[in-house]
Amino acid sequence: SQQGEEDPQALSIQEGENATMNCSYKTSINNLQWYRQNSGRGLVHLILIRSNEREKHSGRLRVTLDTSKKSSSLLITASRAADTASYFCATVPYYNQGGKLIFGQGTELSVKP
Amino acid sequence: DARVTQTPRHKVTEMGQEVTMRCQPILGHNTVFWYRQTMMQGLELLAYFRNRAPLDDSGMPKDRFSAEMPDATLATLKIQPSEPRDSAVYFCASGLKRDSQYTEAFFGQGTRLTVV
Repeated sequence: SQQGEEDPQALSIQEGENATMNCSYKTSINNLQWYRQNSGRGLVHLILIRSNEREKHSGRLRVTLDTSKKSSSLLITASRAADTASYFCATVPYYNQGGKLIFGQGTELSVKP
Repeated sequence: DARVTQTPRHKVTEMGQEVTMRCQPILGHNTVFWYRQTMMQGLELLAYFRNRAPLDDSGMPKDRFSAEMPDATLATLKIQPSEPRDSAVYFCASGLKRDSQYTEAFFGQGTRLTVV
């Protein structure tokens, strides 16, 4: 079963614009993670945000977490053509002490030069 | 440069044949995940291990799939017998659990399986 749902499913923007992707989840979490996948490749970890954190930055990436709404957002600023990829959120449910990592369906981002 | 290694990268097999996929997790990681990715279902968690012990394999079809960790450097996923609906990309990932904290997962490049 999938814990997270990303929105939108697909996003197309021009280079230089900002891209925002959202993730909603169902149960309380230990942490939430964002990953990127280029076509035909494995997933690459971007950012991990813990349940007691509200915002994290890494370069052009900004992640927010609202545990009261069970939602997170990933913002990519000043996007580049090389940012074209699928982006997934994944959660480690709080109830599961084993650390199960469950992925959403992903957002397909296309950045046009 | 530590990375998760999966073999083979591609596998084409006939229906009914046994398929074995292998994964070498990052040295020192105590958690190993197996995922299957398809267009229709997305990324499904099949099974995962902590310190080589299976924690949850509820995502796997039990009658034909099996996952093991013979030692800390090798995880295997077997399908016997394989069926066309098993065609997918299978990913292995490893991570670390320290106390109550979980780190990010590092993914291999995947095994693209085609069952004809």
